Amino acid sequence: AQTVTQSQPEMSVQEAETVTLSCTYDTSENNYYLFWYKQPPSRQMILVIRQEAYKQQNATENRFSVNFQKAAKSFSLKISDSQLGDTAMYFCAFMKYSGGGADGLTFGKGTHLIIQP
Amino acid sequence: EPEVTQTPSHQVTQMGQEVILRCVPISNHLYFYWYRQILGQKVEFLVSFYNNEISEKSEIFDDQFSVERPDGSNFTLKIRSTKLEDSAMYFCASREPGQWNYGYTFGSGTRLTVV
Repeated sequence: AQTVTQSQPEMSVQEAETVTLSCTYDTSENNYYLFWYKQPPSRQMILVIRQEAYKQQNATENRFSVNFQKAAKSFSLKISDSQLGDTAMYFCAFMKYSGGGADGLTFGKGTHLIIQP
Repeated sequence: EPEVTQTPSHQVTQMGQEVILRCVPISNHLYFYWYRQILGQKVEFLVSFYNNEISEKSEIFDDQFSVERPDGSNFTLKIRSTKLEDSAMYFCASREPGQWNYGYTFGSGTRLTVV
């Protein structure tokens, strides 16, 4: 079974600052995917960024980037030039690749990120 | 942009009653999922569904739960006899075939309150 650990229950930064959210995971799988989801107060789950484990290059989506360290089983999210709208819960999630296509996501407990004006 | 639609947005039910939560996945998606999030806790996988049958289920998904795709568009989660601890946000999600790295598209959730 997989586990995902987010060690920062809450973080607070000033608008325009850069913030890094940490995530570690434990698995014996070699092929898997990692995701960061954002959950604003509306409770909707929104995909922020994704990373394939077989890719060494870190994923980037505009102001969002990851630092994927496969050997260390670490998958941190960096948000640059943070904006008030980034205030939300952020969940790290793991999905193993089994070929069957229907595996569920394993989520961490989340980090509540607060962007201060 | 295509959406996963969940109804109702909020449902209140008496303990012991049956509830059906409804979801309309994105039309060309073939993999469907239900997740649960108890208030203040992490999102937990319940069940995945493909080709009209359950592919995988978690320990949470016991005999009180069932899923169905009755008409080719809706995807439902039934809780037969609700308990207080079933109070949670329930998310439906779907995914395209082969799009492993795209993640899932989640619905807006149904808040279930059992009283």
